[in-house]
Amino acid sequence: GAVVSQHPSWVICKSGTSVKIECRSLDFQATTMFWYRQFPKQSLMLMATSNEGSKATYEQGVEKDKFLINHASLTLSTLTVTSAHPEDSSFYICSARDTLRRGHGELFFGEGSRLTVL
Amino acid sequence: TQLLEQSPQFLSIQEGENLTVYCNSSSVFSSLQWYRQEPGEGPVLLVTVVTGGEVKKLKRLTFQFGDARKDSSLHITAAQPGDTGLYLCAGARFTGANNLFFGTGTRLTVIP
Repeated sequence: GAVVSQHPSWVICKSGTSVKIECRSLDFQATTMFWYRQFPKQSLMLMATSNEGSKATYEQGVEKDKFLINHASLTLSTLTVTSAHPEDSSFYICSARDTLRRGHGELFFGEGSRLTVL
Repeated sequence: TQLLEQSPQFLSIQEGENLTVYCNSSSVFSSLQWYRQEPGEGPVLLVTVVTGGEVKKLKRLTFQFGDARKDSSLHITAAQPGDTGLYLCAGARFTGANNLFFGTGTRLTVIP
């Protein structure tokens, strides 16, 4: 099946620093990728839709200047948490859809990245 | 506002028991998917249901899409510890929709 890789799997940083998380589709092209945030024992909360070659679309309540998204190629989207604070600590997950095989909307998820801000 | 509500939210059962997880909405979906997520990992797709009333089986798991395409259920027969995880339903509002709406999640624990 399609593979989506996220990196890093976990990161610990000091408050005020910026952290970049990468999401790569390894064996398919993805013009659209999605970024989610997941709190402990809760479902996925969509943060933004990443569009290759254009600006990301953010969900209501998500600060675009806080969570910078770049989708520079058909296989890579990055999420940068700028000036991270402890409340940004969370599990961040990306997903992607195979552009050439959209089917019924099946998404392939990355392994997730656990961010801990001290 | 959560479009898809799952119940129960938490479920703890003994190995060998049967269980059903429900995914309900007041909205119609063109398709609905079920995912399972284990701690520290991303969700993995289990099944996609498209047609109202459709039933799909995946070994001990049976998935059903409601006739009106507003709800779905997941039934597990003879649960095993390996079934433990967070089960998520997700719906597409229309064919080719760019995004999925995720349910509230059901955390299942199967005790050996």
